[in-house]
Formats: sequence, structure tokens, C-alpha cells
Amino acid sequence: DGGITQSPKYLFRKEGQNVTLSCEQNLNHDAMYWYRQDPGQGLRLIYYSQIVNDFQKGDIAEGYSVSREKKESFPLTVTSAQKNPTAFYLCASSLWGANTEAFFGQGTRLTVV
Amino acid sequence: ELKVEQNPLFLSMQEGKNYTIYCNYSTTSDRLYWYRQDPGKSLESLFVLLSNGAVKQEGRLMASLDTKARLSTLHITAAVHDLSATYFCAVDPPLNYGGSQGNLIFGKGTKLSVKP
Repeated sequence: DGGITQSPKYLFRKEGQNVTLSCEQNLNHDAMYWYRQDPGQGLRLIYYSQIVNDFQKGDIAEGYSVSREKKESFPLTVTSAQKNPTAFYLCASSLWGANTEAFFGQGTRLTVV
Repeated sequence: ELKVEQNPLFLSMQEGKNYTIYCNYSTTSDRLYWYRQDPGKSLESLFVLLSNGAVKQEGRLMASLDTKARLSTLHITAAVHDLSATYFCAVDPPLNYGGSQGNLIFGKGTKLSVKP
């Protein structure tokens, strides 16, 4: 089945650690996105990528890094510079063009311990 | 700055009643999306509205788009408990918005609770 797979579903990070969240899609979508969601809030864009080997900062990129070495994959690293990383992270992908409807993965809940 | 505002943010309604959720946005766009999110879950696409005057219906939900008023509505008819969830609208910003096409801007969501 086509879709977006995020892993892990739950992730615990110690203070000062970097952690990487995985996002893979087999929808042949060009664009991929990472959003952060805090309790009771909407989604805020962290990074997005329109094509392989290119990505752009979103509204809250500080403390995060990404790579896009393959069309199917867009991993997000939460670095130790991100002071408040506890949140629900959602990866999405879309086509590029007239209909940019985004399809979402199941999310990763990151907690700092 | 592109803003997307939903209201109400919280909505408690009884089964069988009708209600409308509003989504206003601050710049021109003719592409708007509605999503549903259940607690702790991901976002599920409900409607894709791609032109002025677009109206789409699925079951007890109907969405419409007025690009001149920069307004979309999500109308709930004869609510049932299964509709309890948080509903988000998202706008596709125009090319001249300082960024690139495709990175949706989301409202804060409307948390709907349908009670018997």
C-alpha cells in the first residue's frame, strides 16, 4: 500500500542528545515536510523539501536539521540546540503543482526525559 | 504574514444539531484543505477546495470556499458522536508569499465534542 511511514512512534531523548526521526514515503511525491504540533495547537512548519538534495527552512527551523538524499526519505534530526523538543512531530508529502494536498504520516511523539 | 484563523476553537454540541466552523485567511489563495485529527493520531484529509465557489460534501460534513471573502466553512449537519475530533483548515500560500508553493499554513484547529 502507498503511504507515509514515520518511525519510531514514541521516542525519548535525554538532555543534550541528538535524535533522528525517520520519514519514508512510497507515493512518488516530490515534496516532503516536517511539522511540529504542541498540545492544543495547530501545526508549525519546521523544514520542507521540494526536490532531492534541496530543502528550505520553515517557521521554526532553529534546533533542527534535515537531509533529502533520496526522494523517498526525509529524516529530521532534533539537535541539542532545540531547547524545548517535547512535541508531536508529523511528516507529510505532496505532489507539486495545482493540487498540493498533503498526506501525513502517523506521527512521532518525542519526549525529553 | 499569512494568517489562518479558525473559529470557534472549541465547540461542544449535542447530537442532532447543526453547526458551522469558519476559516478566515489573510491573503489571496484559491486552494484550501480541511483535515480531521483524532486525539494522539495523525491528520486525515477531508476536503480539497481548489476554486472559488467550490463546495464538497461527505456524509454529514460540507465544506465551501469563497476566495473573494477569503473564507471557508465546514458545516456539520445532524451531528453524531463519531464526528468528535479536531478539525483543521490549511491554506496554500501564493507564490509571492516569501516562500514556495506547497507549504501549507494551518489554523489552530477547532476541537469538536458531540454529546448525546
